[in-house]
Order: sequence, then C-alpha cells, then structure tokens
Amino acid sequence: DAGVTQSPTHLIKTRGQQVTLRCSPKSGHDTVSWYQQALGQGPQFIFQYYEEEERQRGNFPDRFSGHQFPNYSSELNVNALLLGDSALYLCASSLKTTNEKLFFGSGTQLSVL
Amino acid sequence: LAKTTQPISMDSYEGQEVNITCSHNNIATNDYITWYQQFPSQGPRFIIQGYKTKVTNEVASLFIPADRKSSTLSLPRVSLSDTAVYYCLVGDSGAGSYQLTFGKGTKLSVIP
Repeated sequence: DAGVTQSPTHLIKTRGQQVTLRCSPKSGHDTVSWYQQALGQGPQFIFQYYEEEERQRGNFPDRFSGHQFPNYSSELNVNALLLGDSALYLCASSLKTTNEKLFFGSGTQLSVL
Repeated sequence: LAKTTQPISMDSYEGQEVNITCSHNNIATNDYITWYQQFPSQGPRFIIQGYKTKVTNEVASLFIPADRKSSTLSLPRVSLSDTAVYYCLVGDSGAGSYQLTFGKGTKLSVIP
C-alpha cells in the first residue's frame, strides 16, 4: 500500500518563474492538504482540496493555487516565484476535511534563486 | 485565531520518560488534538490523537485535562531515535474559517 508520494523531490527555480508540484494521496484517501515549511519553522497550511474543490485556505496569496483531479491526486502551483517561497512543500492526505489523522509525503524542497 | 504554544526545545537522557505540554486555549468543541513527529527532510508522522482524558498506544500516551486547554504528550523510555521535532495540532476555527494549525514544535534531543 503506497503512502503519500510527491514529485519532484527537489527543484531549483529563479525569481519570477512558475512551478508545479504534484502529490498522490495514500490509497483510499480523498482529501489533500498542502503545507509550506520554511527552515526551522512548523508547517504552515496553504489549502485543502476535497471533491476537486478548494475547501479551506490559509493565509497565502493568490499566487498559490491548486487543483485536485478525479483520482484524488493534486497539484500545487506557485506563480511569480519570490525568494521567500524557498521552502519544503508538504502534501498530506486524509479521509475527511477535518484535522484528523494526516498522512504526509516526504515533501518537495523548492529553492528559488 | 487559535494557536498552540509548546516549549521550543527539551533535552533528555536515554531511558527517561519525556513529557511535552502544548497549550491551546481556543480549541473548538469538536476539535481533536493530534501530535506529530518530524525528522529532518521528512514529512511529519502521526503519533497519537485524542479528544479528552487519556489515550495510549504502542509509542506514546496523551493526557488531556477536562477543560481541554492543554495536552501532554508522554514518551516512555526515550531512545536516541526519538530525537526529532514534535508538533501539536488542533483545529483553528477562528475568523469564520476552519484552518489547520501546527504549533512551532518542540525539538527533543535525546542524549546518550
């Protein structure tokens, strides 16, 4: 039973570029959440997708957008990258749109130069 | 918005019991309290979850007082491999939205 998988594992971009990160949830899960984790900080909630719609959103600008596909996989898109967007981006899957048990992937390390 | 407060760091010797307390004064009525463990360059891993009183599993215990404004994660007989950051997670229903908020985490260092 595969857990949460994220791709790519590492990514280097330059300021102003756009990036797409991908996530496949744990088998049987229907909800995907995205988090941003800066070095030395706790994960910060970006948004959550359920039934292909954004259900909850944290305090992130519109440059951060997402999508969920019918197979429950998800993408995180970030436009007009800033140096401050450099972080570990984590995807978590769960069964409901609550803060119950989350299963996290290993993340995508994004570096913006 | 509700937030959680944890000690920034703790040190413990191998074999000791470690207790990490999280304060969450504005926890919502239907929220659960969940603790996660995170190693460097990995995603957080679920440890334990509870609503009230005491919960125990094979790796930890969680103590929650009646007012639910705090919780204590107890790790029995820690080993070097328990060195990690521990996060307390509760729902955040302030400002009319339901957000998921991690605390800043407690960095536990286990000493030989």
